[in-house]
Amino acid sequence: DTGVSQNPRHKITKRGQNVTFRCDPISEHNRLYWYRQTLGQGPEFLTYFQNEAQLEKSRLLSDRFSAERPKGSFSTLEIQRTEQGDSAMYLCASSPEGDSNQPQHFGDGTRLSIL
Amino acid sequence: KNQVEQSPQSLIILEGKNCTLQCNYTVSPFSNLRWYKQDTGRGPVSLTIMTFSENTKSNGRYTATLDADTKQSSLHITASQLSDSASYICVVSRGSYIPTFGRGTSLIVHP
Repeated sequence: DTGVSQNPRHKITKRGQNVTFRCDPISEHNRLYWYRQTLGQGPEFLTYFQNEAQLEKSRLLSDRFSAERPKGSFSTLEIQRTEQGDSAMYLCASSPEGDSNQPQHFGDGTRLSIL
Repeated sequence: KNQVEQSPQSLIILEGKNCTLQCNYTVSPFSNLRWYKQDTGRGPVSLTIMTFSENTKSNGRYTATLDADTKQSSLHITASQLSDSASYICVVSRGSYIPTFGRGTSLIVHP
């Protein structure tokens, strides 16, 4: 079990630029989640995949955000035309299929800073 | 509205002391309640998971309780250690897989 891996760990970019983050879940986990966390707050749900299918999307996920999981393995989260308010920690988590009471395993996140 | 409220917002204790963190929720229908520990700059790590029928669950020095009738949970930490300094987050899930996170309690353990 190598854990959930996220890259990059930190991203600094100018407002208006596009950014893409990658998440590699635990290999046997079918479910993959993206969250956003700002300082002093708990994570907020963004979207959820079961294999390659995107099953849920939060209203927080504006048109500038898009997530993919093309082969049901790794996932990418892209933010287009970044804004100051996008500065946050973006967390990815995975869990096995079946029992919804299984814990989600989180990566250490990508911290995005918009200049 | 589905909400998870945690208290206190922050807590400072001396090493070796016990403490209890609180979580009240209005999430319905209820599927499970989880407590996570999040170190600064790291992702959350699961401590306990409880379903409707469970009222207590332990993981080493961490003991979580659940009262599904009053929609309250607590996390008790025994004999605190410096490494317990972290944010503790209560998470409640409904029938779907989308969880509702609390804002967390920031715990600082001083030597």
